[in-house]
Amino acid sequence: DAMVIQNPRYQVTQFGKPVTLSCSQTLNHNVMYWYQQKSSQAPKLLFHYYDKDFNNEADTPDNFQSRRPNTSFCFLDIRSPGLGDAAMYLCATSRNTGISTEAFFGQGTRLTVV
Amino acid sequence: KQEVTQIPAALSVPEGENLVLNCSFTDSAIYNLQWFRQDPGKGLTSLLLIQSSQREQTSGRLNASLDKSSGRSTLYIAASQPGDSATYLCAVAGFQKLVFGTGTRLLVSP
Repeated sequence: DAMVIQNPRYQVTQFGKPVTLSCSQTLNHNVMYWYQQKSSQAPKLLFHYYDKDFNNEADTPDNFQSRRPNTSFCFLDIRSPGLGDAAMYLCATSRNTGISTEAFFGQGTRLTVV
Repeated sequence: KQEVTQIPAALSVPEGENLVLNCSFTDSAIYNLQWFRQDPGKGLTSLLLIQSSQREQTSGRLNASLDKSSGRSTLYIAASQPGDSATYLCAVAGFQKLVFGTGTRLLVSP
């Protein structure tokens, strides 16, 4: 059974039109991450939540926002998608004890900007 | 800043060969290291997790080793099969953060 679920699997959006990607988890993990992965590149961390605390990476564009209304759900909002934002977006969770941080990933959402 | 490098970037082998994928990282202050598999257009599947205090982990035909002091990890795949064809990514875990390498794209031909 899938433990980290991302919806939708494929998303097509228009240039400049706000889009939201969603992630849910059944693991009750306290940490949730959003990664961006462009073709043939390593996943790049955008931000993460440690419980309710939001942690933004220094080089994450302001165009990217996130919400975590409860433990199970996390959303990635792209306010004005550009062509350069087309990528695979990966959500991950971990139960971060500071010692063991095994991460579990969803299947990703492939975003296309037209 | 942690940097993770994987060599080779791509590897093509005939079925049945044993092979080694390499991962190196610059900051040895890690909590653990994970190896992932990624099929084209898909998410990441965790293969092995090695805690910083461990030297190796095994799962079936896969064996991963960790030498934290030298900043290196290897993933050994025994008796490779066409179904092993995928991209293999290593990721090192610091506090609240996973840093990925760029991956090794493996093709196992029948």
